[in-house]
This record gives sequence, C-alpha cells and structure tokens, in this order.
Amino acid sequence: EVQLVESGGGLVQPGGSLRLACAASGVTFSNYAMSWVRQAPGKGLEWVSVISGSGGSTYYADSVKGRFTISRDNSKNTMYVQMNSLRAEDTAIYYCATRGWSYGGAFDIWGQGTLVTVSS
Amino acid sequence: DIQLTQSPSFLSASVGDRVTITCRASQGISSYLGWYQQKPGKAPKLLIYLASTLQSGVPSRFSGSGSGTEFTLTISSLQPEDFATYYCQQLNSYPLTFGGGTKVEI
Repeated sequence: EVQLVESGGGLVQPGGSLRLACAASGVTFSNYAMSWVRQAPGKGLEWVSVISGSGGSTYYADSVKGRFTISRDNSKNTMYVQMNSLRAEDTAIYYCATRGWSYGGAFDIWGQGTLVTVSS
Repeated sequence: DIQLTQSPSFLSASVGDRVTITCRASQGISSYLGWYQQKPGKAPKLLIYLASTLQSGVPSRFSGSGSGTEFTLTISSLQPEDFATYYCQQLNSYPLTFGGGTKVEI
C-alpha cells in the first residue's frame, strides 16, 4: 500500500525557517513527480510546488517563489521543502502528494498533512 | 496563470438529489482537469482525472464531463457520505491551480 507521511511542522516566528519532509513507502519513489499543497485554516487548497522524479525539474507558486525550495532524496524515498522568510500567510496544513502521470498528472496519493503555524 | 472558477461555492441538498458542480477555466486546458473530495480534517481524495475518468474505487454515482474551459462534476444520487467540499484542479500548465471549492451540505 502506498503511503505518504509528512513531518516537520510546528510553530515558527515570522521571518523564521522550517523544513518539512514527506516520506513515501510502498512505491518506486523515483518514478513519481511529487508536490506540496497547502490549506490555510478554513480556506481552500493552494498548490505550492512540484519536483520531477529525478529532481531535475522544479516549479513553484508565485506566493512562495524565492522563499521555498523543494528537493528530494530518492535513496531515502523522501521529499523536502525548505521554507525560509516565513510569513503569517504561510500558516497552513501542508500536504504532500504524488503526481500520477497515469492519471493525467492528477494528485492520486496524499499524506495526512502537517501543520505549520507562523506567529510571534 | 490559469484561473479556475467553481460554482456554486455552497450548495444545500438532500439525500437522493442530483447535484452538479461547474468549474470554468480562464483559458483552454484540454481535458487536464481533476476533481477532489475533501471531508473535514482529512486530506483531499482524487475522484476523477482527465475530466471524466473515474478513479478506481470511486462510486459510479460520480461522473465528470467537459473539455477546454468548461467542466462539470455530477453526483447522480447524493448519499450521506458525499457531504463534503469538492475542488477542481487544472493540470495543463504551471502554476497548477485549484478552484475555490464547493461545499455540499445538507
């Protein structure tokens, strides 16, 4: 069974940094593009970033470009996002998801999410 | 950037009702659209991909249609477990975007 587990969330002050991780199991990790999606409290879904299976291609939402860096370690079946210069508006549940090319690139498997709170 | 406009944003319905949710894209996205269901406190779940293909394990009362700029998600007979928020997502080009969501309530 494919499973994604996020970790690394917590409380951080504005301007601070945090690194989230997404560990995958039950899947040939390097075959999958992976993505981060976030959801602010009581709000809708917002796509954040995506990384190709090899890690050679990355894309970001304008709202995080220049502050967030997505990466992956295929030897550890883990994806990361380094979040710097955090702002109050980055407060959200962060989900990781697989981007399944068999599904037209839709996000077929999701983790349970990890909460990031940016507050002083 | 491609904007997705979902309507309605809120929908009140009863068990057994036929429900239709619309998603309009600001420019053509062929059939690169997915639909997700999200229940409170849970991660989203993929229902439909490529605009009209039902994900494995999803009940057949869910269906999707459309291409280009206009898409619909239909629930043929609403069941108690279908009360949730539904999102469309375009997968045609970056940045990938979600619609604003449709909350389906009793």
